[in-house]
Amino acid sequence: DGGITQSPKYLFRKEGQNVTLSCEQNLNHDAMYWYRQDPGQGLRLIYYSQIVNDFQKGDIAEGYSVSREKKESFPLTVTSAQKNPTAFYLCASGPVSNQPQHFGDGTRLSIL
Amino acid sequence: GESVGLHLPTLSVQEGDNSIINCAYSNSASDYFIWYKQESGKGPQFIIDIRSNMDKRQGQRVTVLLNKTVKHLSLQIAATQPGDSAVYFCAENPFTGGGNKLTFGTGTQLKVEL
Repeated sequence: DGGITQSPKYLFRKEGQNVTLSCEQNLNHDAMYWYRQDPGQGLRLIYYSQIVNDFQKGDIAEGYSVSREKKESFPLTVTSAQKNPTAFYLCASGPVSNQPQHFGDGTRLSIL
Repeated sequence: GESVGLHLPTLSVQEGDNSIINCAYSNSASDYFIWYKQESGKGPQFIIDIRSNMDKRQGQRVTVLLNKTVKHLSLQIAATQPGDSAVYFCAENPFTGGGNKLTFGTGTQLKVEL
């Protein structure tokens, strides 16, 4: 089945540690996105990429980094500079034009 | 800055009744709008979308209405079922000359009472 796979489902980070969240899609979408969701709130855009080897900062990019070496993959690294990383992280993909974005089932990141 | 917001954070309805979830947007240049449903612990699921050249669009048991005059978007769910219980988000795509960046509202919790 076509879709978006995020892993792991749960992740724990120690102080000063960088962690990487995986996002893979087989929908042949050009664009991919990372969002952060805090309890009882909407989604906020961290980074997005409209084409391989190119990406742009979203509204809350500080403390995060991404790469887009392959069309299918858009990993997100939560660095030690992100002082409040506990959240639900959602990856999405979609066509570049006005079409729905499709979401994975998220990774919940917590601090040890 | 521009924002998308919802009038009601929680909506409770009886099973079988119709539900109406509202959303206000402030960017008059937005040309595309989407409704998503999010169940606990899962990612948002696409429900229905509408472009700014339309004022109504219907799907299976759902209808989206767009009123550009007052910058208002609504989602109507007919014959609400227990499985409709979830958080519903509206999102808009402000015209930025390209791309598909979405701005999301804060969400409305729909609770279906038996």
